Amino acid sequence: QVQLVQSGAEVKKPGASVRVSCKASGYTFTSFYIHWVRQAPGQGLEWMGVTDPSGGTTNHAVKFLDRLTMTRDTSTNTVYMDLSGLTSEDTAMYYCARDKIGDGLYWFFDLWGRGSLVTVSS
Amino acid sequence: DIQMTQSPSTLSASVGDRVTITCRASQSISSWLAWYQQKPGKAPKLLIYEASTLESGVPSRFSGSGSGTEFTLTISRLQPDDFATYYCQQYSSYSSFGQGTKLEIK
Repeated sequence: QVQLVQSGAEVKKPGASVRVSCKASGYTFTSFYIHWVRQAPGQGLEWMGVTDPSGGTTNHAVKFLDRLTMTRDTSTNTVYMDLSGLTSEDTAMYYCARDKIGDGLYWFFDLWGRGSLVTVSS
Repeated sequence: DIQMTQSPSTLSASVGDRVTITCRASQSISSWLAWYQQKPGKAPKLLIYEASTLESGVPSRFSGSGSGTEFTLTISRLQPDDFATYYCQQYSSYSSFGQGTKLEIK
């Protein structure tokens, strides 16, 4: 079954870091870029960054440049998103999403994880 | 950064209606635009990409048009399952989304 399975909900204190994982199955992991998109409660979608599971290269939205790290483990078909320096404004549902067309970066997403809720609260 | 602005923010309509949602880009994005549908508690679902290409499995009552800075998503005959929030996404320069349009039952 083609799917992205994300890690569970996290509660973090301000200033902490969080890691969200996204495990791919049912397709060739290294052929499709993985993006991260977040959604604050009651708000719209915000693109954060993208990683190439094959080579490991990444690209970030400018606002996350200093806080966002994306990595991958090809042995487990898993992509990781690490966000540091958390504030209450980082409270959101974090989604991983697969680029629709393989072997290239096309920037629209046909397969999404169910989301991982990150709550930042003191 | 390219800003995407959707209108209206909320749209009330009835089953069987034809509705149109507009998305405007702050600069030309050619046809590098996608539309998504999101229901409460669910991840977004891809409907249309490259402004007018219907994703596989999406009903033909959905259509997209436009290029440059102005785009539309049209639903020709609303069905009960279509009441949701819709987002446009530009991918001409990295990616950014519109603020969403909530389609409500009148």
